[in-house]
Amino acid sequence: AQSVTQLDSHVSVSEGTPVLLRCNYSSSYSPSLFWYVQHPNKGLQLLLKYTSAATLVKGINGFEAEFKKSETSFHLTKPSAHMSDAAEYFCVVSETGNTGKLIFGQGTTLQVKP
Amino acid sequence: NAGVMQNPRHLVRRRGQEARLRCSPMKGHSHVYWYRQLPEEGLKFMVYLQKENIIDESGMPKERFSAEFPKEGPSILRIQQVVRGDSAAYFCASSQLARQGAETQYFGPGTRLLVL
Repeated sequence: AQSVTQLDSHVSVSEGTPVLLRCNYSSSYSPSLFWYVQHPNKGLQLLLKYTSAATLVKGINGFEAEFKKSETSFHLTKPSAHMSDAAEYFCVVSETGNTGKLIFGQGTTLQVKP
Repeated sequence: NAGVMQNPRHLVRRRGQEARLRCSPMKGHSHVYWYRQLPEEGLKFMVYLQKENIIDESGMPKERFSAEFPKEGPSILRIQQVVRGDSAAYFCASSQLARQGAETQYFGPGTRLLVL
């Protein structure tokens, strides 16, 4: 069965410094992986997705993630944090088969300090 | 193109009452998913529906919960005889297709249910 583990429940960075949010996955097959962002009391917005094309995936707002099969990781990075990046981030894997069911990690809260 | 719409955005119910949550998928999307987010947790899959069909309800509690996606109108998640533990944010997502990884699920703003 697929699963994702987000290694940090909270990450705090200063504005202008790099962001690293870590995610490991478990899957018997070549997975489809996503990062979603949730701002307070809002819905979820897709940042980026990996579907077995290029291993380095670029998303919106300057975020990118690298799929590393040998490490079963899909970490999210951004070179320079902005105050508006403060939010909850979810690493997500799509279940195999035709259900399209998404399996979410526990989430990482990103705090950006001025 | 309007996104996924959910209403109400906030719903307060007393224990024992019924809660009805509505979801209108994006235009052209025929696949609907419901997820529940308990406080301080990630989202958990509840049910996947296509028009007039329940495809996968493996995440639905065995009692009191039901979902439908009729031929006309929005998808409905219904919770009967609500209890305090049902308090959560309920999110609906839609996609054009359900092939693994082939289609993005677009999420609505959620309905935040509070049971008093």
